[in-house]
Amino acid sequence: RKEVEQDPGPFNVPEGATVAFNCTYSNSASQSFFWYRQDCRKEPKLLMSVYSSGNEDGRFTAQLNRASQYISLLIRDSKLSDSATYLCVVNPPSGTYKYIFGTGTRLKVLA
Amino acid sequence: NAGVMQNPRHLVRRRGQEARLRCSPMKGHSHVYWYRQLPEEGLKFMVYLQKENIIDESGMPKERFSAEFPKEGPSILRIQQVVRGDSAAYFCASSRRTADNEQFFGPGTRLTVL
Repeated sequence: RKEVEQDPGPFNVPEGATVAFNCTYSNSASQSFFWYRQDCRKEPKLLMSVYSSGNEDGRFTAQLNRASQYISLLIRDSKLSDSATYLCVVNPPSGTYKYIFGTGTRLKVLA
Repeated sequence: NAGVMQNPRHLVRRRGQEARLRCSPMKGHSHVYWYRQLPEEGLKFMVYLQKENIIDESGMPKERFSAEFPKEGPSILRIQQVVRGDSAAYFCASSRRTADNEQFFGPGTRLTVL
């Protein structure tokens, strides 16, 4: 089993739609979690950290379910500019610096 | 405040040559991390360095790969005797402290081995 697993997609959604991605992780002792966004052939950029209590930033909501070992990202009112690959990142307990990336979920928002 | 800088952005090497990738962290950041992204795969941790010290190189291949972060100057990832399988995007990230968790990524170096 991979340490971090994501559905690769692609998710093709119309503008204005709500879309949700899940990411599962294998190490129950993992300490911190993030969603990064990566545009084609560019560097990953932090979208948001994921807190136990869940957190929201504008149209984006992230949630953590430790019991089931998954994190989710919800995007409301999708924009064309949201088209990108969304990377789930997990910090294992052995090293908080050692980011473990999922392979990413591709989102394409259609006009 | 300039972000993480990497150069070159694109590097082409023939099999057997050496590749040197450079990374300058953000101002005020003393922790540097290197990741490799193979085509259609996620980023994989390679090595974590602080000034003049390699803290964790568990993700780096044992042969041909080395990394340094000298007291002065950028961090260098060096690949000797490159092979076609080394073709990938190499990203550098930096953070102010380990406890900060958040890592800021540079634009990457795309290495192509012919």
